[in-house]
Amino acid sequence: DSGVTQTPKHLITATGQRVTLRCSPRSGDLSVYWYQQSLDQGLQFLIQYYNGEERAKGNILERFSAQQFPDLHSELNLSSLELGDSALYFCASSVVGTSSGTDTQYFGPGTRLTVL
Amino acid sequence: AQSVTQLDSHVSVSEGTPVLLRCNYSSSYSPSLFWYVQHPNKGLQLLLKYTSAATLVKGINGFEAEFKKSETSFHLTKPSAHMSDAAEYFCVVSEAAGNKLTFGGGTRVLVKP
Repeated sequence: DSGVTQTPKHLITATGQRVTLRCSPRSGDLSVYWYQQSLDQGLQFLIQYYNGEERAKGNILERFSAQQFPDLHSELNLSSLELGDSALYFCASSVVGTSSGTDTQYFGPGTRLTVL
Repeated sequence: AQSVTQLDSHVSVSEGTPVLLRCNYSSSYSPSLFWYVQHPNKGLQLLLKYTSAATLVKGINGFEAEFKKSETSFHLTKPSAHMSDAAEYFCVVSEAAGNKLTFGGGTRVLVKP
């Protein structure tokens, strides 16, 4: 158990809908990261938050947004869902998320999103 | 830009024999490199990490990896495979600015009894 929790474990929804995925980082970790794992794209970095502020952006679609709250939990919002958004979404956390790139990221169990 | 290539998408070994998972990276900076393992329907677990200290890195469950700058490689090995090693393994490089991880395509390991 990494100490990172994600809810829900599974989510099934229809095209055009909006969903929210939730992540609680390990105790003491200030950085939260979101990743998408799909069969065709593999594992891709979406976005990073550090202590409430957006720190880095990856291949995140404009229909997707995230935020980190004062208690450090994070939410990933996915809107106008398409079939291709079906994937496993992982959250990870690290102590700081320093510019040296040496922080270890600890991953949650993931949320499996199925868009029908 | 950084990138990671895992040279084998699938590896099949017999229980008790050595495991070798090959990884080559490309990075403009002195990279931090990681190996993560993903068991079926589970999250990613860190096996080991290299951050410019010793080039031979020991990880959990008997795995180790050697960083070779001249070959831009970070291959993962284990002397004796166990049935519980059946999983998917990811080689990962970390970008110095921002701690963004770039994943290889993964190597799925099958362990035969």
